[in-house]
Amino acid sequence: SQKIEQNSEALNIQEGKTATLTCNYTNYSPAYLQWYRQDPGRGPVFLLLIRENEKEKRKERLKVTFDTTLKQSLFHITASQPADSATYLCALQRGSQGNLIFGKGTKLSVKP
Amino acid sequence: NAGVTQTPKFRVLKTGQSMTLLCAQDMNHEYMYWYRQDPGMGLRLIHYSVGEGTTAKGEVPDGYNVSRLKKQNFLLGLESAAPSQTSVYFCASSYPAGRETQYFGPGTRLLVL
Repeated sequence: SQKIEQNSEALNIQEGKTATLTCNYTNYSPAYLQWYRQDPGRGPVFLLLIRENEKEKRKERLKVTFDTTLKQSLFHITASQPADSATYLCALQRGSQGNLIFGKGTKLSVKP
Repeated sequence: NAGVTQTPKFRVLKTGQSMTLLCAQDMNHEYMYWYRQDPGMGLRLIHYSVGEGTTAKGEVPDGYNVSRLKKQNFLLGLESAAPSQTSVYFCASSYPAGRETQYFGPGTRLLVL
């Protein structure tokens, strides 16, 4: 069956550093990979989507890479701030009609 | 736009009781979804709908029923609640063109005693 893993349950970094979160998947080739942010007591909020034929996508301080050979996506937050502290979820979509499969998330804490 | 709203925000049930969770969206999205989120398990899809009058099973459908009588509303029903259904439930909707980006509601916290 499809499996998606976010390597770290928690990641602690110092303000100003770059946070790098990892998402690995097995058993199929997704058409899209997405990253969401979830704050405590709230629903996930979409951040970025990257397609299987794209290597990298950026949005302000966020960057996502997608390596279909390694079956891995990396999510980077540069110049991190305490306000970036949240849980980040990756999600895969298989084809245009497939449902999303979510990872368990990585809780990021940015210390001032 | 209110986006995706969920009612109620929090509910306590006794085992065997029934209840309905309501999800509403004002973005004219075709697709709607119900997820549950448990510690250590991530988000899991319960049921989904690709349009008014249609529903389909997701990953964990047992013990739940759904209805999509109106395009903007998606109801999740628990006929006989069990403690294993204690969870946080999220509704989401997505663009008519596909399921690329999902917009989530604020969640309903359900405790079954």
